[in-house]
Amino acid sequence: GDSVTQMEGPVTLSEEAFLTINCTYTATGYPSLFWYVQYPGEGLQLLLKATKADDKGSNKGFEATYRKETTSFHLEKGSVQVSDSAVYFCALSASLTGANSKLTFGKGITLSVRP
Amino acid sequence: NAGVMQNPRHLVRRRGQEARLRCSPMKGHSHVYWYRQLPEEGLKFMVYLQKENIIDESGMPKERFSAEFPKEGPSILRIQQVVRGDSAAYFCASSPPLGGGAGDTQYFGPGTRLTVL
Repeated sequence: GDSVTQMEGPVTLSEEAFLTINCTYTATGYPSLFWYVQYPGEGLQLLLKATKADDKGSNKGFEATYRKETTSFHLEKGSVQVSDSAVYFCALSASLTGANSKLTFGKGITLSVRP
Repeated sequence: NAGVMQNPRHLVRRRGQEARLRCSPMKGHSHVYWYRQLPEEGLKFMVYLQKENIIDESGMPKERFSAEFPKEGPSILRIQQVVRGDSAAYFCASSPPLGGGAGDTQYFGPGTRLTVL
């Protein structure tokens, strides 16, 4: 079945440091890939997405490129801020029929950014 | 345009009681998904519904759990005879009508945090 694997956490960085969070996936067909962010006590917010190979999703300084050859969708940011402290989830949506489909999530990783 | 609404935000039940969780999708959205988040874990899919239809319930426990999305009103996730292991955050998401395939984005509500005593 479909699965998403994220790197182990938590991750603690100093402000303005470079961030990489690894995500790899296994799926039948051609999935769409997503990064969601969850702030404490809140629901998930879509951070960025990519729907086909070599697409790059970007938002709020975060980027991720859909790499079909390595089945990866790593999240990067050049300079993190304290306000980026949250839990980050990688997810995929894979439909064989083109219809809307459930999301399969990784376990999430907690990012803490120190001032 | 209001986002996905869930209520209650917090729910406390004693073992054996029933829990009812409500979800109102975004305006214009006809697809609803329920996910469960156990402590220190990611979200697990439970069920996918359209108006008056269950499309995919492959993630629903076979007993005590049910879901509906009636023609009028919110989607309901119902848990009968709750046990301590049901304690979790339950999230609802909605997406627009069919058209974008697997790329359609799901928009999440704030969740209902269920505690079973």
